[in-house]
Amino acid sequence: EDQVTQSPEALRLQEGESSSLNCSYTVSGLRGLFWYRQDPGKGPEFLFTLYSAGEEKEKERLKATLTKKESFLHITAPKPEDSATYLCAVQAGSTDKLIFGTGTRLQVFP
Amino acid sequence: DTGVSQNPRHKITKRGQNVTFRCDPISEHNRLYWYRQTLGQGPEFLTYFQNEAQLEKSRLLSDRFSAERPKGSFSTLEIQRTEQGDSAMYLCASSQTGANEKLFFGSGTQLSVL
Repeated sequence: EDQVTQSPEALRLQEGESSSLNCSYTVSGLRGLFWYRQDPGKGPEFLFTLYSAGEEKEKERLKATLTKKESFLHITAPKPEDSATYLCAVQAGSTDKLIFGTGTRLQVFP
Repeated sequence: DTGVSQNPRHKITKRGQNVTFRCDPISEHNRLYWYRQTLGQGPEFLTYFQNEAQLEKSRLLSDRFSAERPKGSFSTLEIQRTEQGDSAMYLCASSQTGANEKLFFGSGTQLSVL
């Protein structure tokens, strides 16, 4: 069965303290790995799609990387407005649905 | 582009009642997805449509749940004989074929079953 595991469940950072979030996956026929950001009371907001091992994408203070077994979301010099839940999802096999992990709840303190 | 719209934002109902939610996708998007999310969990896939055709439905989805997308525009999700375990945020998302991994989510309908 396809599975997505995210760690840590929660992360508290001081403003400017860089860190990484992990997403490990076990799927048959990965077609894409996705990162979303979710603020309280809102739906997830798309950040990145990664398709193959070695691929990297960047947006402002965020950088996503992909290997054959996991993905990392690196946050460089975070600001309080980066506080949110970050969700990882995979698309695999013949289905177009996304399978989500449980997310990492990030809090950045000034 | 007004984004994906979901109504109502909140719904409180008594156990055993039927409820219906509505989703209006981004107008040019032909795919529409329904997900369910409980506190501390990621979204769980329920079903999706391409135009008016329902292409996939979760095996875990009870037969009390039904979704429609008449004319390939808005969609409704109905839950019959609600149970307390149905309490969750129901999220709708839309996308365009060819870029179908980039889902645009609405803000969801929060259902509370008392």
